[in-house]
Amino acid sequence: NAGVTQTPKFQVLKTGQSMTLQCAQDMNHEYMSWYRQDPGMGLRLIHYSVGAGITDQGEVPNGYNVSRSTTEDFPLRLLSAAPSQTSVYFCASSYHYEQYFGPGTRLTVT
Amino acid sequence: GQQLNQSPQSMFIQEGEDVSMNCTSSSIFNTWLWYKQEPGEGPVLLIALYKAGELTSNGRLTAQFGITRKDSFLNISASIPSDVGIYFCAGQSGNAGNMLTFGGGTRLMVKP
Repeated sequence: NAGVTQTPKFQVLKTGQSMTLQCAQDMNHEYMSWYRQDPGMGLRLIHYSVGAGITDQGEVPNGYNVSRSTTEDFPLRLLSAAPSQTSVYFCASSYHYEQYFGPGTRLTVT
Repeated sequence: GQQLNQSPQSMFIQEGEDVSMNCTSSSIFNTWLWYKQEPGEGPVLLIALYKAGELTSNGRLTAQFGITRKDSFLNISASIPSDVGIYFCAGQSGNAGNMLTFGGGTRLMVKP
């Protein structure tokens, strides 16, 4: 099992550009989520999904969109990147409460 | 929203020393999890706690689910250099699906 995979590993965007962060898991987990990690602030939940076709907002959803068309994939879309979205993004999946994290995408918006 | 207060924020200890860190909240949690994050990596699950008062070990790591359900503790015995990293607590309240609330992390540095 590859577990949770994320691409790309690093990305630099200009303000106003859009992009999609990819996340995939091969553990057949129903629950998937996206977090952002900023220095000194731990992890904050952006969006989550409890199964294919079902998504909901977390603590900091503004500026991000998600969709869940399959159990395996949960992409995160930045519609119009802003410098405040410079962060490290982690995707996680779980069967129950024990969430397993991907290696992260480090995003810089200039 | 719910908040978890994790302390200390950082620790710089000598190899071989024992380490203690804790997480507290004003809200009750049904599940407590402890994660470790190394530089450039995602958090890795260390211990999961599901019952108030539960004490669980994973090698040199021991974690406890507080009786009040508002706190949790992690101890590391006989620290070694590879224990270096950021340790996060996370709580699940039962009112928000599988959503976890994370503490701010404890950065552990070990001097050989």
